[in-house]
Amino acid sequence: RKEVEQDPGPFNVPEGATVAFNCTYSNSASQSFFWYRQDCRKEPKLLMSVYSSGNEDGRFTAQLNRASQYISLLIRDSKLTDSATYLCVVRPNTGNQFYFGTGTSLTVIP
Amino acid sequence: DAGITQSPRHKVTETGTPVTLRCHQTENHRYMYWYRQDPGHGLRLIHYSYGVKDTDKGEVSDGYSVSRSKTEDFLLTLESATSSQTSVYFCAISELEVSPLHFGNGTRLTVT
Repeated sequence: RKEVEQDPGPFNVPEGATVAFNCTYSNSASQSFFWYRQDCRKEPKLLMSVYSSGNEDGRFTAQLNRASQYISLLIRDSKLTDSATYLCVVRPNTGNQFYFGTGTSLTVIP
Repeated sequence: DAGITQSPRHKVTETGTPVTLRCHQTENHRYMYWYRQDPGHGLRLIHYSYGVKDTDKGEVSDGYSVSRSKTEDFLLTLESATSSQTSVYFCAISELEVSPLHFGNGTRLTVT
């Protein structure tokens, strides 16, 4: 079983739409959680860390559900520039390994 | 953006030749990582370093070695390149063990 699983999509949404991605993880001892954004042929860039209480950064909201072992990312009022692949990343509380999902592809359509 | 430079950016090499990729950081971060990214697999850890001369293996370390003689430099060596090592290689750094990773802009390696 993979450490981290994401729906690969693709998600094609119109501008202004709200879209949500989920990511499940298998290690209940996971400690740190992140969402990254990766544009085509570029490096992943940190979008936001995910905190237990949930957190928001502008149009982006991240949630963590430890009981069900998933994290989510909600994007409101989608912009064309939000088109990218979104990676969820989980880090257990032991070792130096970060586990990456394979990414969810989002295309925002005019 | 974090000061991370990878070199070369692109390389084409033949099977059986040695290849060294370089990662250079100006952030003085303790932790450095080498990942490879392939379709359908996401990013997979090859090796990481938690200090000068302190390195450890990741999940896909076979066929790769690393060295870290200075805080700022982390080298990845393919002793004898194989076609299965054709990939995009990313270096990453983090300040603390629990800090998020910051990536370099990648090296596209093709082994023919």
